[in-house]
Amino acid sequence: AQTVTQSQPEMSVQEAETVTLSCTYDTSESDYYLFWYKQPPSRQMILVIRQEAYKQQNATENRFSVNFQKAAKSFSLKISDSQLGDAAMYFCAYRSAEGGSEKLVFGKGTKLTVNP
Amino acid sequence: DAGVIQSPRHEVTEMGQEVTLRCKPISGHDYLFWYRQTMMRGLELLIYFNNNVPIDDSGMPEDRFSAKMPNASFSTLKIQPSEPRDSAVYFCASSLFPPALGSLPGGTEAFFGQGTRLTVV
Repeated sequence: AQTVTQSQPEMSVQEAETVTLSCTYDTSESDYYLFWYKQPPSRQMILVIRQEAYKQQNATENRFSVNFQKAAKSFSLKISDSQLGDAAMYFCAYRSAEGGSEKLVFGKGTKLTVNP
Repeated sequence: DAGVIQSPRHEVTEMGQEVTLRCKPISGHDYLFWYRQTMMRGLELLIYFNNNVPIDDSGMPEDRFSAKMPNASFSTLKIQPSEPRDSAVYFCASSLFPPALGSLPGGTEAFFGQGTRLTVV
């Protein structure tokens, strides 16, 4: 079974600085998708960024980018120019692209605090 | 589309009572997921459906929990009888089938409802 590990329960960053959240996963599959979701205090789950495993190029979305290392099974999220509104729980997630096992598995999350 | 709709937003019930949580997925989505979120265990996948058929219910904690999807636009998660340890936020999410590799990436992520905060006293 696939597992997702986020080794940093909490992180903090100064406003306007850069922070990197770590994620590792375990799988024997070669085709899959990886995601970072953000959960602010409103508890709504919001997709931040998505990466297809077959793509070598790292995904970017404005101030958010990932460092995807397929061989190392690592998928970190970098937030540049941190803003107060970035404060939230961040969840890393894995989804198989192989038929019959398309469930979405989450890590336990990292709580990000942004200090003014 | 209004997104994934869950009801109720909050539920407080007494131990031993039956609780039913409801979900309306995004129209056209093939997959529906039920998750439970607690501080201790994070986001746990309870069960997921594909085209209204349960595919994997290995995350359902025990027989007190049951889920149904009678049609493409409605699903329920029922707890009977409820216990204080069932207190959590329950999320419903829906998504499209993952597209073939090499095609446009859209449609692989899950869209979440607002969740139901369940408190069993």
